[in-house]
Amino acid sequence: SQQGEEDPQALSIQEGENATMNCSYKTSINNLQWYRQNSGRGLVHLILIRSNEREKHSGRLRVTLDTSKKSSSLLITASRAADTASYFCATDKGGAQKLVFGQGTRLTINP
Amino acid sequence: DAGVIQSPRHEVTEMGQEVTLRCKPISGHNSLFWYRQTMMRGLELLIYFNNNVPIDDSGMPEDRFSAKMPNASFSTLKIQPSEPRDSAVYFCASTQGTGADTQYFGPGTRLTVL
Repeated sequence: SQQGEEDPQALSIQEGENATMNCSYKTSINNLQWYRQNSGRGLVHLILIRSNEREKHSGRLRVTLDTSKKSSSLLITASRAADTASYFCATDKGGAQKLVFGQGTRLTINP
Repeated sequence: DAGVIQSPRHEVTEMGQEVTLRCKPISGHNSLFWYRQTMMRGLELLIYFNNNVPIDDSGMPEDRFSAKMPNASFSTLKIQPSEPRDSAVYFCASTQGTGADTQYFGPGTRLTVL
């Protein structure tokens, strides 16, 4: 079964708006990561947040982590057409030396 | 600096044929991962290596699949015999640390088995 589950499965917004994607997981983790996948490409790492961190920023990205609720959110501010992609969360599932990926959120930014 | 390199990028074959996918990880990375991505099952970890040694192959679907890493700069994933349900995009990824660290993905191989 999936460790991480993203919500929503698909999101369509206008350029310039903010996009928020959520990820829930089931077991304890050491860290949680977010990746982006453009159509027909490999995944690209965006940000890693450790279990003792609550919030992390990288450019227009903001990630939060709530270990009590076993959930994380990815916020993309001032979205651009180039942000159109699928976004995946990945966890190490209790400290395992591997990642388990969710099913992803497909984000479409409309010009 | 080159990223993870995979070949071929596209492969079309007929059922029953042997398929070999290749991967060159980023130089200096000591862990390598093979994933399969389909619409139905998402991204699945098939097998991963650490320092060229297979650590976890629990995701390998069946005996038709095998993977090797003869040295730090090369790995293969072989399917023999191939079946239509093996059609998917296969990704290779590598990392400098453990599998729980940032992973760097290759562009993938799109496999179609007719």
